[in-house]
Amino acid sequence: DAGITQSPRHKVTETGTPVTLRCHQTENHRYMYWYRQDPGHGLRLIHYSYGVKDTDKGEVSDGYSVSRSKTEDFLLTLESATSSQTSVYFCAISDRTSSNEQFFGPGTRLTVL
Amino acid sequence: TQLLEQSPQFLSIQEGENLTVYCNSSSVFSSLQWYRQEPGEGPVLLVTVVTGGEVKKLKRLTFQFGDARKDSSLHITAAQPGDTGLYLCAGGVGGGSNYKLTFGKGTLLTVNP
Repeated sequence: DAGITQSPRHKVTETGTPVTLRCHQTENHRYMYWYRQDPGHGLRLIHYSYGVKDTDKGEVSDGYSVSRSKTEDFLLTLESATSSQTSVYFCAISDRTSSNEQFFGPGTRLTVL
Repeated sequence: TQLLEQSPQFLSIQEGENLTVYCNSSSVFSSLQWYRQEPGEGPVLLVTVVTGGEVKKLKRLTFQFGDARKDSSLHITAAQPGDTGLYLCAGGVGGGSNYKLTFGKGTLLTVNP
């Protein structure tokens, strides 16, 4: 299994509070991704990174920001959480080999009350 | 935004039956991947197909990429309870640093003993 961890695994927070989710990898992969998974919507890309300090927006980036100060860590921040951001968040990594496989972390279940 | 339509959304069958899951789009993809996800875990890659008309087999699973690289199918022969899970197709779009995956909403398969 690829070395990806996400923390926390579960979080309950209140509307309006800031939340930061962490993705940590031990594979030295260049590419990292944040997705959210919701019933009826599947997996949707929030933000991605193609190197240290290099990030770009995905399909559903509004209300989220990211940072990548070192190869192994990719942080997702909800500046002011809303109930619509209740979801399961997955981090993925890739070294963009010929298969373009993405390896996914175990996910973080976030509930915003 | 490229869309991937998966069908059926839910599938419940008996052990030993055959089944086919479809993934369709009006867009052309550079590659098509199939992932399998179990409850509480992240998706895991099953296969990547990159050439129009390509067929790949993984034990009892057969994957096909359409000639025009717009659609794909997953066929399972003699399904087993261990095949139960959420099957996701994902199309590769963009290139270089901007390469991203667009996911279908998934097919939830239940194989009853």
